Amino acid sequence: KAGVTQTPRYLIKTRGQQVTLSCSPISGHRSVSWYQQTPGQGLQFLFEYFSETQRNKGNFPGRFSGRQFSNSRSEMNVSTLELGDSALYLCASSREAGGYEQYFGPGTRLTVT
Amino acid sequence: KNEVEQSPQNLTAQEGEFITINCSYSVGISALHWLQQHPGGGIVSLFMLSSGKKKHGRLIATINIQEKHSSLHITASHPRDSAVYICAVFAQKLVFGQGTRLTINP
Repeated sequence: KAGVTQTPRYLIKTRGQQVTLSCSPISGHRSVSWYQQTPGQGLQFLFEYFSETQRNKGNFPGRFSGRQFSNSRSEMNVSTLELGDSALYLCASSREAGGYEQYFGPGTRLTVT
Repeated sequence: KNEVEQSPQNLTAQEGEFITINCSYSVGISALHWLQQHPGGGIVSLFMLSSGKKKHGRLIATINIQEKHSSLHITASHPRDSAVYICAVFAQKLVFGQGTRLTINP
């Protein structure tokens, strides 16, 4: 069974631009969660989607948004990029919503200049 | 104070040593996860616990719900165990500890 895939793997953007990251979960998994990892703050929860509905959202500004499609694939969008948005963005999928075992993708490393 | 505290933050040991990483949390949880992150970023889920003890190969994870504490043990440690180990608790969402960087020298 294929693992969680994320595209692109690396991205360089300029302040003020927007970016869209994509995540394809393991087949049969209906929940997708997104996380941001930085050296200073560590891993932080962004949001969780289940059956195309956002179940929970972390403490991030409204510039961070996401969605989930009917095939469970998910995208997250960051608008008006700031230097502090430079991070590794990880998505994880699980069979069901809530605290079930998470399978992580390789991440997208975003650099904002 | 962070909701999830890990200790130690850094740990260096010799191959073969018994390793213990501790995790304390301050919120009510429904599950606790232990994760492993290698250089390059990839994260692997090692255990998900809601009570008691789990074992997988040389790795053992325990949780004490009353004391809000969990431990990850590695027996007969090996250089390939070198990684960052992260404790995360689920309380409506996953909340992560700051990680423990483990280095095992041959």
